Amino acid sequence: DIQMTQSPSSVSASVGDKVTITCRANQGISSWLAWYQQKPGKTPKLLIHDATTLQSGVPSRFSGSRSGTVFTLTINNLQPEDFATYFCQQSNTFPVTFGPGTKVDTK
Amino acid sequence: QVHLVQSGAEMKKPGSSLKVTCRSSGGTFGNYGIAWLRQAPGQGLEWMGRVIPILGIPNYAQKFQDRVKITADKSTGTADMELNSLGSEDTAIYYCACEDLQKGGAFEIWGQGTLVTVSS
Repeated sequence: DIQMTQSPSSVSASVGDKVTITCRANQGISSWLAWYQQKPGKTPKLLIHDATTLQSGVPSRFSGSRSGTVFTLTINNLQPEDFATYFCQQSNTFPVTFGPGTKVDTK
Repeated sequence: QVHLVQSGAEMKKPGSSLKVTCRSSGGTFGNYGIAWLRQAPGQGLEWMGRVIPILGIPNYAQKFQDRVKITADKSTGTADMELNSLGSEDTAIYYCACEDLQKGGAFEIWGQGTLVTVSS
């Protein structure tokens, strides 16, 4: 199975901050990478697919990038509604696997 | 737009079987694949398998291969996930989700989740 790791596991930030979350795959997954946001008691919400493509309706302060097997989710100008847990997911190879998550909470 | 509605919460005994149903409010899954995932309390997301309704061929995670069955009826827009030989480790929220093959296999639409508790 492809292992996905995320760092940091948690980050404390303030409204207006820039937050960067990194996801690493232990083997090549091309750009078969998605990012999700999940709030407590809610279902995950797709933010970015194909590593860099913003899902329709998602604010442009969210962006994704790729460098080899390292993927980054950036949130610019953090808003109150952005405090949540973020997961990455690879779909290059079965089984589909997820990173363990990064919790963004208030500083 | 597809909207997924799942069957209700379940309480199960160890060793029993589980069936969770997922229905598309529009009566069709379109060209989506339907995946089943689960999330144990306070844990991350785990993919169990998926089926592409227009093809009917499932793919399973090896971890669940021997005790899961995923089916879909494209004519009615319903999908089922059956899991056998339940143990306490199967306590989780189970989700169905639409896998968009045009978006790199990302899960674009999710059901509301079904809480399954396995306890004696």
